[in-house]
Amino acid sequence: KNEVEQSPQNLTAQEGEFITINCSYSVGISALHWLQQHPGGGIVSLFMLSSGKKKHGRLIATINIQEKHSSLHITASHPRDSAVYICAVFNFGNEKLTFGTGTRLTIIP
Amino acid sequence: KAGVTQTPRYLIKTRGQQVTLSCSPISGHRSVSWYQQTPGQGLQFLFEYFSETQRNKGNFPGRFSGRQFSNSRSEMNVSTLELGDSALYLCASSVKLGTEAFFGQGTRLTVV
Repeated sequence: KNEVEQSPQNLTAQEGEFITINCSYSVGISALHWLQQHPGGGIVSLFMLSSGKKKHGRLIATINIQEKHSSLHITASHPRDSAVYICAVFNFGNEKLTFGTGTRLTIIP
Repeated sequence: KAGVTQTPRYLIKTRGQQVTLSCSPISGHRSVSWYQQTPGQGLQFLFEYFSETQRNKGNFPGRFSGRQFSNSRSEMNVSTLELGDSALYLCASSVKLGTEAFFGQGTRLTVV
């Protein structure tokens, strides 16, 4: 079992829909990152969370430390949101970033 | 403020050769970490440097090595290249270990 599990693996939605991507982890962490990767490779850090909720524009990230679960929400989705979204946890024990396998999001106009 | 810069962006090498990739972190960031991304294995941690010292290392063979200079710029080297080393190599910088990481655009290495 992977230390970081994401769901769904692939998600296709219509423009304007509310999107939720989930991340569950099994190790002790000090922080959780949500990353966005567009075709071409570059990765953008969207959020780093250690508790609660953060919001940036149409993006919202939440984390429940007790349940070892985080969600990334996108409101009023747009085709430019199409990308791979990756959850990564900073493992408190080995001090390494461990990544989920990513969620490929496609927003259709 | 300039972001994380990786050079070169693309590289083609033949089996058996060696390669050096470079990463310039954001000014003021002292931690640089390296990652390999392949379609089969996803993103995997290679190593992390802080103040010129390797702080952590992933499960990669000794052919993969790195270093960090006094200006925090980092290089990674892969010797005796194998076809399976073809991947996107990403570096990330942060102020210190465990803080928010900022990623570069990556170097896409193709081994033929």
